[in-house]
Amino acid sequence: KAGVTQTPRYLIKTRGQQVTLSCSPISGHRSVSWYQQTPGQGLQFLFEYFSETQRNKGNFPGRFSGRQFSNSRSEMNVSTLELGDSALYLCASRLAGGSSYNEQFFGPGTRLTVL
Amino acid sequence: DAKTTQPNSMESNEEEPVHLPCNHSTISGTDYIHWYRQLPSQGPEYVIHGLTSNVNNRMASLAIAEDRKSSTLILHRATLRDAAVYYCILREGGYQKVTFGIGTKLQVIP
Repeated sequence: KAGVTQTPRYLIKTRGQQVTLSCSPISGHRSVSWYQQTPGQGLQFLFEYFSETQRNKGNFPGRFSGRQFSNSRSEMNVSTLELGDSALYLCASRLAGGSSYNEQFFGPGTRLTVL
Repeated sequence: DAKTTQPNSMESNEEEPVHLPCNHSTISGTDYIHWYRQLPSQGPEYVIHGLTSNVNNRMASLAIAEDRKSSTLILHRATLRDAAVYYCILREGGYQKVTFGIGTKLQVIP
């Protein structure tokens, strides 16, 4: 079974631009979460989607948004990029959200550099 | 959200046991204790989880204090491949703002 895939793996943008990152979960997984990883802050939770609905959101500004499609694939968008948005963006999938516990499987991440 | 506290870094000699501590004094009764690790240039990977009882799997053991306010991840024989950042997190089964934080960077010395 293929793992979580993220595209692109590397991205360079300039301040003020916007960017869209894509995540394909493991087949059969319906929940997708996004995280931002920076050296000083570790992994910070962005949001989780399940059944095309955002179920929870971390403490990030509205410039960070996401969506999930009917096939469980997810995209996140960052508008008006700032230098501080440079980070590794990780996507993780799990079987289901809600009251069922299940482990998360992470993708390799997208390395975003904002110049 | 309940928080966890871990040492920033630890060292271990190869083939010796490693005990990675985690404090979670504000844990709720329904929080599961999870451990993940992140190898260099990879996304985090699941290691183990538990609720109240100690747990063992092929990768590690998890020892949970009786009051559940702390736990310890045990690697029985550290190898060079175990050099990674280890994260202790708390999670219920539902939707939560899960934050991994900085974790503990484990260095394994040959």
